[in-house]
Amino acid sequence: EVQLVESGGGLIQPGGSLRLSCAASGFTASTNYMTWVRQAPGKGLEWVSVIYSGGSTDYADSVKGRFTVSRDNAKNTLYLQMNSLRAEDTAVYYCARGEYSYGYYSFDSWGQGTLVTVSS
Amino acid sequence: QSALTQPASVSGSPGQSITISCTGTSSDIGDYNYVSWYQQHPGKAPKLMIYDVNNRPSGVSNRFSGSKSGNTASLTISGLQAEDEADYYCSAHTTTTTLVFGGGTKLTVL
Repeated sequence: EVQLVESGGGLIQPGGSLRLSCAASGFTASTNYMTWVRQAPGKGLEWVSVIYSGGSTDYADSVKGRFTVSRDNAKNTLYLQMNSLRAEDTAVYYCARGEYSYGYYSFDSWGQGTLVTVSS
Repeated sequence: QSALTQPASVSGSPGQSITISCTGTSSDIGDYNYVSWYQQHPGKAPKLMIYDVNNRPSGVSNRFSGSKSGNTASLTISGLQAEDEADYYCSAHTTTTTLVFGGGTKLTVL
């Protein structure tokens, strides 16, 4: 069974840093493309970043230069390093799997999300 | 990266059909067949319902269908059921970024 479990969220002051983790099981994350999507309280979904099986990455303009996506193939885990955090980064952060049989830009399995709150 | 435009809400009675639109531009929906639709119940993670405009992942009911015309994609739900009440989001690949989402549509089953 495919499972994604996010962790690492919490309360952080503006300007601070946080690293989110997404532990994958039931499949090999490095052979898929993986994404982070966030959802501010009461708001819609916002795409954040993607890492492809070859290792290339892309970011939304709103986080470019501040966030870095990476993965540890040995641990089958995805990460999101978030620096210079702002109040507007407050959201539930989801990791999701992209399965190539479902195209290149759709995500068929999602974690339960981890809440990041940026506030002083 | 402007969000795709969806109606804030739609409603329908059980058994009826409803359609949710998702309007983009020639740089996203109009240029690629990479439109997906997600269903999200309150407090839950999104669920993929449609990918590549009109394809259903295994396990998704055939009451859900997708289409595209020009810069607008649509999700149609036929035979509306109570459990279909949820938020629905479209997404699309664009020429300038990997992905953009619509603002979301709240579906109410009357």
